[in-house]
Order: sequence, then C-alpha cells, then structure tokens
Amino acid sequence: GQNIDQPTEMTATEGAIVQINCTYQTSGFNGLFWYQQHAGEAPTFLSYNVLDGLEEKGRFSSFLSRSKGYSYLLLKELQMKDSASYLCAVRDGDYKLSFGAGTTVTVRA
Amino acid sequence: DGGITQSPKYLFRKEGQNVTLSCEQNLNHDAMYWYRQDPGQGLRLIYYSQIVNDFQKGDIAEGYSVSREKKESFPLTVTSAQKNPTAFYLCASSIGGSWETQYFGPGTRLLVL
Repeated sequence: GQNIDQPTEMTATEGAIVQINCTYQTSGFNGLFWYQQHAGEAPTFLSYNVLDGLEEKGRFSSFLSRSKGYSYLLLKELQMKDSASYLCAVRDGDYKLSFGAGTTVTVRA
Repeated sequence: DGGITQSPKYLFRKEGQNVTLSCEQNLNHDAMYWYRQDPGQGLRLIYYSQIVNDFQKGDIAEGYSVSREKKESFPLTVTSAQKNPTAFYLCASSIGGSWETQYFGPGTRLLVL
C-alpha cells in the first residue's frame, strides 16, 4: 500500500496564510490531489499536480516535488469558511488513489 | 443540475441485517467508486466500477457487495458479514477511468443499532 503523511491539525488566524504539508511513498506516481472536506460533507476537489512546481488557483496553491515525495497546499487570506479538513491523495502507478488521514484546519477570528 | 446523489443521509442497521446504500449520478461518468471514511483514517476504497456490468474489489471489500446494471447507478450493500459497519460512506465518480479526477457525493452515515 501507499504511505501518506500529513499533520492532524493546524490552527491559524483569519487573514493569515497556512501551509499544509503532505509526504508520500508510492510505487509509481500518477498525480497528487488535494480535496477540501467540511464536517459531515463530501470532499470537494481543490487541485491536481502531476509535474513538479506550483499550481495557483485563487487563494489556494499546491506545490509538488516528485523527487522528494512532497507536496504542500497553501491557503492565503484565510477566511472562516476555510475551516475544514484537507485531504491529500496520491495516485500510484496502477492509477489507484490513496488518501491521507486529512488535516483539520481551524481558522480563528 | 448535474451531480452525484446518495441516499439516505443517515441509515440505521440492526444486527444481522443487510442494508443498501444508493448512489446515482447524472454526469454521464463512466467510473464509479465506493469509499469508507472512519475518524482519524484516510478514505479507503471498497469497490469500484470502470464500466457497466463490471466491478472490482478495492482494499476492504469483505462484507460488502455492489452491482452496476446501469451507468448512472452503483448501489452498495453492507451485509451482515461486515462486523464493523459504522462509518461515513462516500460514493464518487469520474468521467473516465481511475486516471481521471474523482468527484464525490454527499455521503451516507451508517449507524448500528
């Protein structure tokens, strides 16, 4: 199976920046996904990286380094509605998707 | 509006009972998936289907069964053989096979009485 690690919890202040790290070990690599999940709701797709570098989408950016088995999700100008769990998922050489346990981000006023 | 629907939102199961969770999509997606989510753990794949009338076991298929008779529907049955069924069940679909981005339904929370 795959090994995907991300911090359990993070807390930040409204308007600040938070960086959620994800490290992985996988047999083959076919992309890394970030999903946002509010409590009791469906995960919603945020970003996809398959090549090294930074992908920017509004207030959210995602970075990938394949050689280091490392990604991060950067949330800028935090808003209260960004309080949620953020899931890192890696697709392996067989195109199977494996998920990390998720990082719960709490945004405080 | 196109999307994925799951019903019911909450489901209660008695000991020894089989229950079926519904998943329907009108996105014309080919592939559909069932995941289980437990507190403190990542989503785990139960079953997936790339095309109609075909499906494969995921990592934790024991105690579950599925069918894929129509492209838009992928129901999951939790059988009495599943000894720890309490979890949040998520259905997902992708436009093509597992090489495409997966989009999730709202989930069904299954509780055991």
